[in-house]
Amino acid sequence: DTGVSQDPRHKITKRGQNVTFRCDPISEHNRLYWYRQTLGQGPEFLTYFQNEAQLEKSRLLSDRFSAERPKGSFSTLEIQRTEQGDSAMYLCASSLSDAEQYFGPGTRLTVT
Amino acid sequence: QKEVEQNSGPLSVPEGAIASLNCTYSDRGSQSFFWYRQYSGKSPELIMSIYSNGDKEDGRFTAQLNKASQYVSLLIRDSQPSDSATYLCAVNNDYKLSFGAGTTVTVRA
Repeated sequence: DTGVSQDPRHKITKRGQNVTFRCDPISEHNRLYWYRQTLGQGPEFLTYFQNEAQLEKSRLLSDRFSAERPKGSFSTLEIQRTEQGDSAMYLCASSLSDAEQYFGPGTRLTVT
Repeated sequence: QKEVEQNSGPLSVPEGAIASLNCTYSDRGSQSFFWYRQYSGKSPELIMSIYSNGDKEDGRFTAQLNKASQYVSLLIRDSQPSDSATYLCAVNNDYKLSFGAGTTVTVRA
């Protein structure tokens, strides 16, 4: 399967801990996006990369959040000093330029 | 005003009937529109994209777009129990997708 993959699929952490998620996009896709989804809501945009450049960050992305895409391949999303409000599904998507975005399976984060 | 609004659900339809889902958007400059299906606990799956006014059919799904009215719809014909899911309308604003809250469809046998 050559779709978008994410790791881990589930993460439970204690408040105040740091967590890091990984996303591997579809191989030929140059754009990679991070979204966050909470129960009963649609996904909300967090940030996106074109190749290795991070081109936009939502105001939802506080200073505790950082994302990287070294060498324009996989991406990581780190949350420092997690809070209970960070509990959500973190979704990664990729696309070839302006074409359709395809989502990975997501990482479900629970902060206790 | 939310950027993308969908008709509130849940929507319950009998098997074999047509399910009709509606979506309105606020940015008149939007050019790309998508419907995603999301099963409970899973991630969104792209089922339709539409870029021009009019209808686009793909199997049992038909997407309709009216840019003048800022309106997108999805029809599911011959609804099956496997169509029971939440359907998300998404609008591409430059690079990012703005989503509605989704409409949950239940197809009853």
